[in-house]
Amino acid sequence: DAGVTQSPTHLIKTRGQQVTLRCSPISGHKSVSWYQQVLGQGPQFIFQYYEKEERGRGNFPDRFSARQFPNYSSELNVNALLLGDSALYLCASSLVGRGDSYEQYFGPGTRLTVT
Amino acid sequence: GEDVEQSLFLSVREGDSSVINCTYTDSSSTYLYWYKQEPGAGLQLLTYIFSNMDMKQDQRLTVLLNKKDKHLSLRIADTQTGDSAIYFCAEMQDRDDKIIFGKGTRLHILP
Repeated sequence: DAGVTQSPTHLIKTRGQQVTLRCSPISGHKSVSWYQQVLGQGPQFIFQYYEKEERGRGNFPDRFSARQFPNYSSELNVNALLLGDSALYLCASSLVGRGDSYEQYFGPGTRLTVT
Repeated sequence: GEDVEQSLFLSVREGDSSVINCTYTDSSSTYLYWYKQEPGAGLQLLTYIFSNMDMKQDQRLTVLLNKKDKHLSLRIADTQTGDSAIYFCAEMQDRDDKIIFGKGTRLHILP
């Protein structure tokens, strides 16, 4: 079975630009979460979506937004990029949403570099 | 607070046991996790333990949970060169499904 897939694998953008990252969950999983991992740190929670609804949001500015599609894939959008947005963006999928999504499986990530 | 603390580095000789320790602060944590991250890769879920358990064993991995002290440990028996990676301790809190990660422990294997 395919695991969580993310695209693109690497991306270079300049300050002020906008970026869209994509994630496809494990087949049958309905919940997708996004995390930001800055070099040398643990991942930080950005969003969780379940059944196309936002179920959780971390401490990130409004420049970060996401959505989930009917096929449960998801996009993360970041507007007005800053140098500090350079990080590995990880997507995790789980079978269900709130209260029972304890098995979260991560994709390989998208490495975003902002210059 | 939402802090998960773990030591940053651990060096272990090949064949010995590795013990990686972690402390967390939120008493409402329901699940506690260990993830492994190899260079340039995503996170691999190694094992997790529910907060009402004391111990969980899975082949070479043993997780111990002391809920009173909010202390979690991961023991890797017979450490091998393939175990060289960063290990993240993490907790899921009862009120939502976000996972809070520590900064990771880099495990270095000595020949």
